[in-house]
Amino acid sequence: GAVVSQHPSRVICKSGTSVKIECRSLDFQATTMFWYRQFPKQSLMLMATSNEGSKATYEQGVEKDKFLINHASLTLSTLTVTSAHPEDSSFYICSAKTSGGNYRNEQFFGPGTRLTVL
Amino acid sequence: GENVEQHPSTLSVQEGDSAVIKCTYSDSASNYFPWYKQELGKRPQLIIDIRSNVGEKKDQRIAVTLNKTAKHFSLHITETQPEDSAVYFCASRGGDYKLSFGAGTTVTVRA
Repeated sequence: GAVVSQHPSRVICKSGTSVKIECRSLDFQATTMFWYRQFPKQSLMLMATSNEGSKATYEQGVEKDKFLINHASLTLSTLTVTSAHPEDSSFYICSAKTSGGNYRNEQFFGPGTRLTVL
Repeated sequence: GENVEQHPSTLSVQEGDSAVIKCTYSDSASNYFPWYKQELGKRPQLIIDIRSNVGEKKDQRIAVTLNKTAKHFSLHITETQPEDSAVYFCASRGGDYKLSFGAGTTVTVRA
């Protein structure tokens, strides 16, 4: 199957700092990637859709100036949590949608990034 | 937007028994319904999926049924084993490829 990686897997930061999370499709090109947030014992909530070469589209209630998304290449999307606060502590998971090949239009999830803001 | 409801929120079964999880969706345009298994701190893992042109699909001990008219779909796990213990999520997807997830079901298989 297709492989998606995320980096870092775990990050602890101080309140007010910014954190960048990378999502990479390792063996396929992904014109579209999705960013999800999952609080403890809750479901995955879609934050935004990242499209290569264009602006991300955000779901209702997600602040685009706080969660900056850049999809500069067909294999990399980044999520930057700006001025992080304790309430931003969560499990952030990306997924990448294939464009073609054996798994056309399927989504593959990254392993997630555990963010803890002190 | 799409609304996916999932029941029950928790399910405890004796090893060897069956487990059933049910989901409903609201958007008639949804055409793809995956089920994910998630272990603590891990990524969701696709275990089975069904498309809107199919009513039932089976893969060994796992089966999924879809009733498009009623807008509901179900996951069936037979002969449960302790390693089936996890959180299971149903999801639906329309033409925009966005996944809408149910709230999840924590399944515990008692040995």
